[in-house]
Amino acid sequence: AQSVAQPEDQVNVAEGNPLTVKCTYSVSGNPYLFWYVQYPNRGLQFLLKYITGDNLVKGSYGFEAEFNKSQTSFHLKKPSALVSDSALYFCAVRDGIYNQGGKLIFGQGTELSVKP
Amino acid sequence: DSGVTQTPKHLITATGQRVTLRCSPRSGDLSVYWYQQSLDQGLQFLIQYYNGEERAKGNILERFSAQQFPDLHSELNLSSLELGDSALYFCASSVGSGGSTDTQYFGPGTRLTVL
Repeated sequence: AQSVAQPEDQVNVAEGNPLTVKCTYSVSGNPYLFWYVQYPNRGLQFLLKYITGDNLVKGSYGFEAEFNKSQTSFHLKKPSALVSDSALYFCAVRDGIYNQGGKLIFGQGTELSVKP
Repeated sequence: DSGVTQTPKHLITATGQRVTLRCSPRSGDLSVYWYQQSLDQGLQFLIQYYNGEERAKGNILERFSAQQFPDLHSELNLSSLELGDSALYFCASSVGSGGSTDTQYFGPGTRLTVL
């Protein structure tokens, strides 16, 4: 079965430092991977996705993610964190099983806290 | 703003009652998805409709049902409500039927509280 794991419940970084939010996946076919961010009392906002091609995917708000097939990982990164990046981040994989449409399977989320 | 709208924002009701959550997709999107977010279960896929037809089904309880109307808006009906149904319910939409290049855009959610 398809699954996604976010091994860290919380990540703390200082403003201006690089940040990494980790995600590993398990799929039976080609992985279609997504990152979303959720601010308090808001819906999920799409950041970026990996479908195929370059292993480094660039997304919104300066975020990027590195796809690593051998390590089955899709870590979210940003070179310089902002206080406004503090939010809940979700990694998701699209279920590639036939007849499952666009069903997304989400990780448990990682709370990112950026301190001034 | 994703362009996906959901009403109401908040809903407080009692056990045993029935409620309807409404979702309007982004202009041009044909698929609507429903997800439930709770503290113990996380984000769970419930159901997807594509152009009026059910496309995929997840862990949706028999007490829950959904439909997509000809104007492409969707409603999620929750009946015989239990305390454990209290959660944030998200609607998302996408252009296609959920293929590999499809991106889902989420609405702000409806927070349901069952007392």
